[in-house]
Amino acid sequence: DAGVIQSPRHEVTEMGQEVTLRCKPISGHDYLFWYRQTMMRGLELLIYFNNNVPIDDSGMPEDRFSAKMPNASFSTLKIQPSEPRDSAVYFCASSYIVGGSYEQYFGPGTRLTVT
Amino acid sequence: QQQVKQSPQSLIVQKGGISIINCAYENTAFDYFPWYQQFPGKGPALLIAIRPDVSEKKEGRFTISFNKSAKQFSLHIMDSQPGDSATYFCAGGRGGSNYKLTFGKGTLLTVNP
Repeated sequence: DAGVIQSPRHEVTEMGQEVTLRCKPISGHDYLFWYRQTMMRGLELLIYFNNNVPIDDSGMPEDRFSAKMPNASFSTLKIQPSEPRDSAVYFCASSYIVGGSYEQYFGPGTRLTVT
Repeated sequence: QQQVKQSPQSLIVQKGGISIINCAYENTAFDYFPWYQQFPGKGPALLIAIRPDVSEKKEGRFTISFNKSAKQFSLHIMDSQPGDSATYFCAGGRGGSNYKLTFGKGTLLTVNP
């Protein structure tokens, strides 16, 4: 298995532009998570899905952020309009439940820089 | 806010020494406590995990010690190696209908040769 795939790996954009981050979870995993990582705030959960349905979006910072999961193999995180404080590494992770363990498998991340 | 507090923020250990990272949690409903390891430029990866019905779990040089009454758990890395230099995150999770993890802020471990 190729693992969780994220694209792009790096994104540099100007303030006010729309940014779309993409994620392909591991086949067969029914949970998908979006995280943001910064030095100041660590690893923050933004939103997660179960069977393509958003379960908890309480971590989404504001209305500029939106996420979708149109099918089991694809999810997007969109920021519109982007701001410099959105600069961070964004991770997607997927998971499935087995025997009470729910290991999350992380992708390589997208490093977003907003100038 | 259900937090997981992790300490220290950074740790420097000599090769062959023991690295110890501590975490404390608030949510008594947590039933899964993983540790993740992250190398620069990579996503976190599961290192070892424990459930609250055991007090210790060992996998190779890595051991989790768990104290349910104190709501604390720790990661011990024996015979630390330069290749162990990474950021380590503890987390707490609650099963049932909610399988999300709450992560600590991370510990940057440096093992000097």
